[in-house]
Amino acid sequence: DSGVTQTPKHLITATGQRVTLRCSPRSGDLSVYWYQQSLDQGLQFLIQYYNGEERAKGNILERFSAQQFPDLHSELNLSSLELGDSALYFCASSPKMGQPTEAFFGQGTRLTVV
Amino acid sequence: AQSVTQPDIHITVSEGASLELRCNYSYGATPYLFWYVQSPGQGLQLLLKYFSGDTLVQGIKGFEAEFKRSQSSFNLRKPSVHWSDAAEYFCAVGAGYSTLTFGKGTMLLVSP
Repeated sequence: DSGVTQTPKHLITATGQRVTLRCSPRSGDLSVYWYQQSLDQGLQFLIQYYNGEERAKGNILERFSAQQFPDLHSELNLSSLELGDSALYFCASSPKMGQPTEAFFGQGTRLTVV
Repeated sequence: AQSVTQPDIHITVSEGASLELRCNYSYGATPYLFWYVQSPGQGLQLLLKYFSGDTLVQGIKGFEAEFKRSQSSFNLRKPSVHWSDAAEYFCAVGAGYSTLTFGKGTMLLVSP
């Protein structure tokens, strides 16, 4: 158990809908990362938050957004969903910035868009 | 921008045989390198990491990896594979405390 909790584990929704994925980082970790894993693209970095502020952006679509709350949990919002958004979405967390450290991954949320 | 290449999509190894999974990276400065393992339906578990110092690093589950700057490689090895090692393995490079760039992964199959 990495200590990173993601909910829900599975989500099935229709095209055009909006969903919210939730992540609770390890206790004490200030950084949260979101990754998307799909068969064709592999593991792609989406976005990083550190202590409530956006720090880095990767290949995140404009239809997707995220935020990190004062209690450090994070939410990834996916809207106007398309079939191609079906993927496994991972959240990871790591301690404070400024030193090399590994990221600890949650079990992921499997999103299926039908 | 950094990149990671894992040239082998699938590898099949007999149980008890040795294993080497290849990883080549591209990064301008000293990289921070990682190997993660993903079992079916599971998240990513860190096997080992290299930040600096000794280029041969030991990880969990009997895995080790060697950083070779001259070859831009960080190959993962295990002397004797167990059936429970069957999983997908990902090499990743990190720009310090920043985000990770992953390879496409190598699926390890273990035959009896």
